[in-house]
Amino acid sequence: SAVISQKPSRDICQRGTSLTIQCQVDSQVTMMFWYRQQPGQSLTLIATANQGSEATYESGFVIDKFPISRPNLTFSTLTVSNMSPEDSSIYLCSVGGGGQGLREQYFGPGTRLTVT
Amino acid sequence: QKEVEQNSGPLSVPEGAIASLNCTYSDRGSQSFFWYRQYSGKSPELIMSIYSNGDKEDGRFTAQLNKASQYVSLLIRDSQPSDSATYLCAVNDAGGGADGLTFGKGTHLIIQP
Repeated sequence: SAVISQKPSRDICQRGTSLTIQCQVDSQVTMMFWYRQQPGQSLTLIATANQGSEATYESGFVIDKFPISRPNLTFSTLTVSNMSPEDSSIYLCSVGGGGQGLREQYFGPGTRLTVT
Repeated sequence: QKEVEQNSGPLSVPEGAIASLNCTYSDRGSQSFFWYRQYSGKSPELIMSIYSNGDKEDGRFTAQLNKASQYVSLLIRDSQPSDSATYLCAVNDAGGGADGLTFGKGTHLIIQP
C-alpha cells in the first residue's frame, strides 16, 4: 500500500481564518479523496481530487468553502476557508486507483483541526 | 442517498471468542465493500475488502458478502484485546479505488480479557 503523509498533523485556528492541509503520497496515484470526521462521528466524503481537472464535491460541500488543488499525481491540498467552530474535525486524505493497481483506498494519518 | 447501517455497539466479546460485526447498505448498485479498523485518535486502517458474494478469509478475519440481502459481515476469530477498536463498514459503486466511499457509523468492539 502507499505511504501517505499529511501536514499539519493538528492545528488550532481562530474563526474567520483559513487553513491549508497538505497530502503527500510516496507513489503516483490516480485518485485522491478528502474526508471529514467530526467528533464522535464516522467519515464523510468531501470531494474527489483528480489530477488535471476540477475537484468533484459531494452534496453539502462547496468549492468556495473547501478549495482543493491537485497539481500532480502525488500531492493534493485542501483548504478550509473562513473557519467556524463547526469546522472542528479531523480531515483525512485517502488514495486509490493508483498505478500499482490500487483497488482499495488507504488513508493518511489525518489533520486534527480545532477552531476557536 | 446512499446509506450504510451498522450497530454502534458497544459489542463486548470475551477474549478468544468470535466477534461478529454486521453491516447493511441501501444502494443495490454498490460493487465494492470494505472493513476498516479505527483505533481511538488514529486514522482508519483497511483490514478487508470483498467484491463478490461469499466468504473471503485473511488470517483471523473473514468477510462475508450477500448482495441479494445487501449485507456484509466481518468475523474475527480468536479475538484479542488488541482487536478492541471501532470497525467501519464502507461501500462504493466502482472498483474500489476510483470512487469515494460511503461509511457506516461504525461498531465499537470491546474484547474483554
